[in-house]
Amino acid sequence: NAGVMQNPRHLVRRRGQEARLRCSPMKGHSHVYWYRQLPEEGLKFMVYLQKENIIDESGMPKERFSAEFPKEGPSILRIQQVVRGDSAAYFCASSLLTGTGELFFGEGSRLTVL
Amino acid sequence: DQQVKQNSPSLSVQEGRISILNCDYTNSMFDYFLWYKKYPAEGPTFLISISSIKDKNEDGRFTVFLNKSAKHLSLHIVPSQPGDSAVYFCAASGESTGNQFYFGTGTSLTVIP
Repeated sequence: NAGVMQNPRHLVRRRGQEARLRCSPMKGHSHVYWYRQLPEEGLKFMVYLQKENIIDESGMPKERFSAEFPKEGPSILRIQQVVRGDSAAYFCASSLLTGTGELFFGEGSRLTVL
Repeated sequence: DQQVKQNSPSLSVQEGRISILNCDYTNSMFDYFLWYKKYPAEGPTFLISISSIKDKNEDGRFTVFLNKSAKHLSLHIVPSQPGDSAVYFCAASGESTGNQFYFGTGTSLTVIP
């Protein structure tokens, strides 16, 4: 009966490196959302995925960021050539129903870019 | 383009008194609203929700009020306890808005013993 699992919990990268954040949704959930929380700010929507499909990526920067949710395995948020401004907490959430169900959040992955 | 707004970044309340957290939204197509509570270094946890067909939903010490005409919702916590100290986010969604969940910027509640 595991909840939403995110790993790694903490990730340190140097500028220019790649960061990969993984999210396993709750069992039975096929809707995955990624949010970013910058220091002193709220939760900013990035992307909404269902299995093998990106439904809405309107909150994701056009460059360097990508997300996937394959048929098998966790959802991946990938940040290429990281910059200091990418330092943030990245939260994954999953839901059973779309739009009118609860979101269940993971504990987040904190990315620090040196 | 902040569609959900929490204009009070912080709130301090004495233990035992009422805490009222406010949230405003701009999109009239939202029809489902949620409150989340977040402790430092943890993910947000669901607290209470309300659909647009209701104007009030109560769960123990927590009550959410929805005023659709004013596009405003509020969370009341009575009586407030020190363990309620956390950041509270309101969120809104709707099938006609692409099923995204839009979050406010959060209100940090401190309950003083």
